[in-house]
Amino acid sequence: EVQLVESGGGLVQPGGSLRLSCSASGFTFSNYAMYWVRQAPGKGLEYVAGIGSNGGSTYYADSVKGRFTISRDESKNALYLQMSSLRAEDTAIYYCVKDLYNTSPYASGSYWDFWGQGTLVTVSS
Amino acid sequence: DIQMTQSPSTLSASVGDRVTITCRASQSISSWLAWYQQKPGKAPNLLIHKASNLESGVPSRFSGSGSGTEFTLTISSLQPDDFATYYCQQYNTYSRTFGQGTKVEIK
Repeated sequence: EVQLVESGGGLVQPGGSLRLSCSASGFTFSNYAMYWVRQAPGKGLEYVAGIGSNGGSTYYADSVKGRFTISRDESKNALYLQMSSLRAEDTAIYYCVKDLYNTSPYASGSYWDFWGQGTLVTVSS
Repeated sequence: DIQMTQSPSTLSASVGDRVTITCRASQSISSWLAWYQQKPGKAPNLLIHKASNLESGVPSRFSGSGSGTEFTLTISSLQPDDFATYYCQQYNTYSRTFGQGTKVEIK
């Protein structure tokens, strides 16, 4: 059974940093592109970052480019999102998401089949 | 980037009603469209992929149609468990944009 479990969320001051983790199990983690999607309170879904199966290709939304870094550790079956220079508008639930079969976040034609339960990040003083 | 526009934003309906949600793309996405259902406090749940393919375990009252730029999600007979927010998402391009969501409320 595929499981994606996020952790690392919490309260952080504006300008601060936080690292989110996603522990993956139930599938061969190294074979799939992975993603982070966020949802601000009461708002819709926003695709934040994606990473290829070998970690070599990454995608960032304009809203986080230069501030967030997505990475993965195949030995730990883990996906990460390093967030810095955090702003109030980064307050959201952050979801870890698996691709159905793509190995690159730049490939098309493959949808996202599993989502974690999310972790809440609150940026406030 | 491809823009995805859903309508309506909110829909009030009764149990047993037939409900239709529309999703329009700013340019053709062929059939590369997914529909998700999200309930409060939960992650989105995939209902339909490739515009009309029902995910395993999803009730047959859900159906999807369309191609190119216009798509619909239909619930043939609304059930109490269906009151939720629904999102479309294109996966024709790497920007993977979502619609803004349609909240289905109890009338």
